[in-house]
Amino acid sequence: DGGITQSPKYLFRKEGQNVTLSCEQNLNHDAMYWYRQDPGQGLRLIYYSQIVNDFQKGDIAEGYSVSREKKESFPLTVTSAQKNPTAFYLCASSNQGLTGHTIYFGEGSWLTVV
Amino acid sequence: GENVEQHPSTLSVQEGDSAVIKCTYSDSASNYFPWYKQELGKGPQLIIDIRSNVGEKKDQRIAVTLNKTAKHFSLHITETQPEDSAVYFCAAVDSSYKLIFGSGTRLLVRP
Repeated sequence: DGGITQSPKYLFRKEGQNVTLSCEQNLNHDAMYWYRQDPGQGLRLIYYSQIVNDFQKGDIAEGYSVSREKKESFPLTVTSAQKNPTAFYLCASSNQGLTGHTIYFGEGSWLTVV
Repeated sequence: GENVEQHPSTLSVQEGDSAVIKCTYSDSASNYFPWYKQELGKGPQLIIDIRSNVGEKKDQRIAVTLNKTAKHFSLHITETQPEDSAVYFCAAVDSSYKLIFGSGTRLLVRP
């Protein structure tokens, strides 16, 4: 099936640890994104990438890092510098970047700090 | 930058009635306005979108209207069904080509 696959679905992190969330798409989309969603809230952009080997910070990039070594993959690392990482993380992709083209989302990953 | 406001935050309707969710945006250069439906614990799903060169778009029971002069757009759901219950988000593309989301509307359709 074509789509966006996020893993793991649920992840628990101890304070002080880095964790990496995986996002893979087989839609051949150029652009990929990471959003954070807190309970009962909207979506906030963490990082985005319009092309392989290039990415830009979104509105809440502090404490996060990404890489885009392959077109189909855009992993997000939540570092220990992120003071309040417990949230629902959503990966998305679109076929021609941010200029008004349709963005599709994965099913999300729940991260909880214990 | 772009700011998107969405109202109401919660909406409860009787099955079969219509539901209307409204959004306003601030960047007059925005030209793409999608609507997403999000069920509990899942990723948002695109349900309809509209571009700035049209004023209205319909897809079965769902329609979206756009007023560029007033900088607002609305989602209309007719003949609501219990499975329409979810959180709905509007969004707009800002001048730096990022998608900015509204804060969401929790729709409850009462059987």
